[in-house]
Amino acid sequence: DTAVSQTPKYLVTQMGNDKSIKCEQNLGHDTMYWYKQDSKKFLKIMFSYNNKELIINETVPNRFSPKSPDKAHLNLHINSLELGDSAVYFCASSQDISGANVLTFGAGSRLTVL
Amino acid sequence: AQSVTQLGSHVSVSEGALVLLRCNYSSSVPPYLFWYVQYPNQGLQLLLKYTSAATLVKGINGFEAEFKKSETSFHLTKPSAHMSDAAEYFCAVSEPGGGNKLTFGTGTQLKVEL
Repeated sequence: DTAVSQTPKYLVTQMGNDKSIKCEQNLGHDTMYWYKQDSKKFLKIMFSYNNKELIINETVPNRFSPKSPDKAHLNLHINSLELGDSAVYFCASSQDISGANVLTFGAGSRLTVL
Repeated sequence: AQSVTQLGSHVSVSEGALVLLRCNYSSSVPPYLFWYVQYPNQGLQLLLKYTSAATLVKGINGFEAEFKKSETSFHLTKPSAHMSDAAEYFCAVSEPGGGNKLTFGTGTQLKVEL
């Protein structure tokens, strides 16, 4: 049973389209995250939610809208896709928002915008 | 603000040789420090973490790291490299009360040669 699962794994789309990536965790964790990994492998946090409440929003364009229907799910919707949005998006979860907690990552969703 | 610097984006060692991956951090408070490993086309997995207990931390697969406050370093070592250690390694820092926001270094690609 996969602890943090993301779908789809690969996404190829045209500029201007809208797309969503879904994430689910079965670890019973309270906190979930979205990270973006660019082509140089640099990882940067985008959002975090704790018990469905937005905790971190790291100056991400408002074309990106996260939604957490419950604490086991955190979805990412992206409007009006741009070339620069091409990246691997990782979902992760942790027990809570304590800085000592380990993040469990999903396998990633590779988004390619043409 | 917290930050991480990883010296050397690529490190190459021979199988059986010592592995040393460097990480220096900046934090305004005593930090939590982590090393994660990423194998090709996979998510990140925790190798080890420092959370203010013992300064020498042992992790999985024979890796260990030493927290040196005076040098603001958290270098990762392994006495004898194995071919299966070839991967991307990320050092990361978070701060107590920071909402578990992990800031990653730029990563070090480890290559292991016969």
